[in-house]
Amino acid sequence: ETGVTQTPRHLVMGMTNKKSLKCEQHLGHNAMYWYKQSAKKPLELMFVYNFKEQTENNSVPSRFSPECPNSSHLFLHLHTLQPEDSALYLCASSHPTPETYGTEAFFGQGTRLTVV
Amino acid sequence: KQEVTQIPAALSVPEGENLVLNCSFTDSAIYNLQWFRQDPGKGLTSLLLIQSSQREQTSGRLNASLDKSSGRSTLYIAASQPGDSATYLCAVGGGQAGTALIFGKGTTLSVSS
Repeated sequence: ETGVTQTPRHLVMGMTNKKSLKCEQHLGHNAMYWYKQSAKKPLELMFVYNFKEQTENNSVPSRFSPECPNSSHLFLHLHTLQPEDSALYLCASSHPTPETYGTEAFFGQGTRLTVV
Repeated sequence: KQEVTQIPAALSVPEGENLVLNCSFTDSAIYNLQWFRQDPGKGLTSLLLIQSSQREQTSGRLNASLDKSSGRSTLYIAASQPGDSATYLCAVGGGQAGTALIFGKGTTLSVSS
């Protein structure tokens, strides 16, 4: 248990479905991240939120829509996905400050998404 | 653009061996470097964090070093055990990545008993 909880752990959805992934951190961190992990590729950064504000969108297609209602919760809303979007989606959190910009990141267990 | 490379991609060793995993990065303007472990189908477990001002960190049988100027890090695992079998990921933070981490593809380690 890392203090970062993701639900659901597994999700199968059709290309016309709408679903959401949820991430919750209990560490008091101020930054949260979505990453995508596909086979044979390094983890790809998708979105960054610092103090609930989105500070980075790494050229992610609009069929992925993030939401960060507060510093403890992060969502990834999915709609009209493609089979190539099947992957492990990982959430992470950290607590960068002006004094300690490079702080330790903690990851959730991920959501294994399959698009059929 | 920051790129992280890990060598080797895969490694098989008998139990008890000491081993070294390598990580290199192209942009030395980093704030930190973090090593993770990932078991199949699972999330990432943080092993060691090295700040840019540090040279090494140790935790149990693990020792990670950082040479920021040359863009290199190594993870040393002493007296390997079958339970060490996993994929080990190196990630750097800072610079273009901001507060986020940029990852290598990982080294998949298999330790046989």
